[in-house]
Amino acid sequence: KQEVTQIPAALSVPEGENLVLNCSFTDSAIYNLQWFRQDPGKGLTSLLLIQSSQREQTSGRLNASLDKSSGRSTLYIAASQPGDSATYLCAVEEGAQKLVFGQGTRLTINP
Amino acid sequence: ETGVTQSPTHLIKTRGQQVTLRCSSQSGHNTVSWYQQALGQGPQFIFQYYREEENGRGNFPPRFSGLQFPNYSSELNVNALELDDSALYLCASSFKTGGRVDTQYFGPGTRLTVL
Repeated sequence: KQEVTQIPAALSVPEGENLVLNCSFTDSAIYNLQWFRQDPGKGLTSLLLIQSSQREQTSGRLNASLDKSSGRSTLYIAASQPGDSATYLCAVEEGAQKLVFGQGTRLTINP
Repeated sequence: ETGVTQSPTHLIKTRGQQVTLRCSSQSGHNTVSWYQQALGQGPQFIFQYYREEENGRGNFPPRFSGLQFPNYSSELNVNALELDDSALYLCASSFKTGGRVDTQYFGPGTRLTVL
């Protein structure tokens, strides 16, 4: 059974810092890995999707990497801003059927 | 292009009651997936509907059921509500072709509270 773990559970940093969020998964047989952002009480916004054949994806200040063999992914956020405060979720797609999510990292950027 | 919408936004029910949640897919999408997100947890896959048929199910009991309509909108029905059913229910729509499902777009969710 696929399990997805995110570390740390919560992170608080001052504005302007670069930071890394971690995600690990137990079964490397995945189609893709996706990073989402969730604001309190809201739905999910897709940030980056990495296909299983890819190593990384970039969008603006965000960069996500994928190492399937070791079952790890990182989300790098450059020059953090207070507007980046949210919960970040990673999810792996096992097939054309479902996403398996981690529990999320709650990020707070302090002005 | 309209996004994924869900109704109602919030709902309060008592144990034993039944509830129906609704989801309108993004235009052009033919697949809807439902997820349950308990407080402080990541979403958990309930089931997926493709062309009006259930196409995969997570570890949820039969009292969780669904429908997908010809316009690809969807309903999630939960019978005999339990306190643990209190959660944010998210639907996600996508376009499926050739066995693959493209990026899923999530709605804002319905917050269900069971008293």
